[in-house]
Amino acid sequence: TQLLEQSPQFLSIQEGENLTVYCNSSSVFSSLQWYRQEPGEGPVLLVTVVTGGEVKKLKRLTFQFGDARKDSSLHITAAQPGDTGLYLCAGVTGNQFYFGTGTSLTVIP
Amino acid sequence: KAGVTQTPRYLIKTRGQQVTLSCSPISGHRSVSWYQQTPGQGLQFLFEYFSETQRNKGNFPGRFSGRQFSNSRSEMNVSTLELGDSALYLCASSSTGQGGTEAFFGQGTRLTVV
Repeated sequence: TQLLEQSPQFLSIQEGENLTVYCNSSSVFSSLQWYRQEPGEGPVLLVTVVTGGEVKKLKRLTFQFGDARKDSSLHITAAQPGDTGLYLCAGVTGNQFYFGTGTSLTVIP
Repeated sequence: KAGVTQTPRYLIKTRGQQVTLSCSPISGHRSVSWYQQTPGQGLQFLFEYFSETQRNKGNFPGRFSGRQFSNSRSEMNVSTLELGDSALYLCASSSTGQGGTEAFFGQGTRLTVV
């Protein structure tokens, strides 16, 4: 059972554009994490959000945790080719991680 | 600090064979989780081991099994391979496996079943 749905599944944009990726669930999580995976590599953690309504910024990336701790969004400002990759959200509850379906982002120079 | 090491990186097997994949976690990490990643299904949880005990299990058939050794190294075994088992198998280690803990992933083992 896939608990976390991400949208869009694929995204291809021009360098300099802004974009938002969504991660939605009907389940409540104790925390939510975002990972980026590049081809041939394993996912690497970008951020962890814990509190409902929490907003975290990492340079051009802004992460938000929904008030009810069921959903999250990732916003990238002025995307660069180096942002290309597979973005995965992961809900954490207890000692288990539940990964989203993934969003494949391509930033065209 | 060395990262998570998975061996081998690539593997080609024939239907019906069995395969064993290995994962060495970050030193000091006691939790090791295994995932199957395919383009159509995304990242699917297989199982998690903590201190040599299977703590959580995903929804995979009994052909998929694993174990963890006293040094926290873990192996995953798939018996009677099927074409649909072709995937990237990822291993992740974490210090406790609790909420808020970061999962550190290896580079994965790319298994191709022909």
